[in-house]
Amino acid sequence: QVQLQESGPGLVKPSETLSLTCTVSGGSVSTGIYYWGWIRQPPGKGLEWIGYIFYSGSTNYNPSLKSRVTISVDTSKNQFSLKLSSVTAADTAVYYCARDKGGYGGTLDYWGQGTLVTVSS
Amino acid sequence: EIVLTQSPATLSLSPGERATVSCRASQSVSSYLAWYQQKPGQAPRLLIYDASTRATGIPARFSGSGSGTDFTLTISSLEPEDFAVYYCQQRSNWPPETVFGGGTKVEIK
Repeated sequence: QVQLQESGPGLVKPSETLSLTCTVSGGSVSTGIYYWGWIRQPPGKGLEWIGYIFYSGSTNYNPSLKSRVTISVDTSKNQFSLKLSSVTAADTAVYYCARDKGGYGGTLDYWGQGTLVTVSS
Repeated sequence: EIVLTQSPATLSLSPGERATVSCRASQSVSSYLAWYQQKPGQAPRLLIYDASTRATGIPARFSGSGSGTDFTLTISSLEPEDFAVYYCQQRSNWPPETVFGGGTKVEIK
């Protein structure tokens, strides 16, 4: 059974960089068919896709966040990470990591439990 | 960029009733659409993928239909645990960009 677990600071100051890590167990980030992604959800609002990384390191980001987002993968630790720079209060959200099972259509079949990140001084 | 529009925003129903949630895509996505259920304080859970295939462990009362631009999630007879928010989702093949619908809250009437 694949499991994903987010970790990182729950409080980030405005203008700083948000950093989160997703640790994958029961599966490998090196499997060459899956995309590994980040999704966020502001309090009381809907889901917003942030970006994907493939095992090779290739990435694709939401155009609205692209200038501030970096997603990387560490195959030796079976982890992938999110960095979001120059954060503001609008970046306060629950951040989820998830696995996209690849192929056409993009089904997010496994999700982490989510971690709340608050941007505040 | 594909836009997914869900309706209605809120559905007020009683246990045992039938729920129908719609998702319309701004351009054809063939049959590549998924549905998720989210309860308060929980991560979304995959219900349906490829428009009509139930994910592992999903009860038969959940069904999906549609292709092209119009899709429907149906819950044949609402159980108490089905009151939640439902999202549709699609990823383009290249570049791989994912979009979600705005969500439909199914609440107890």
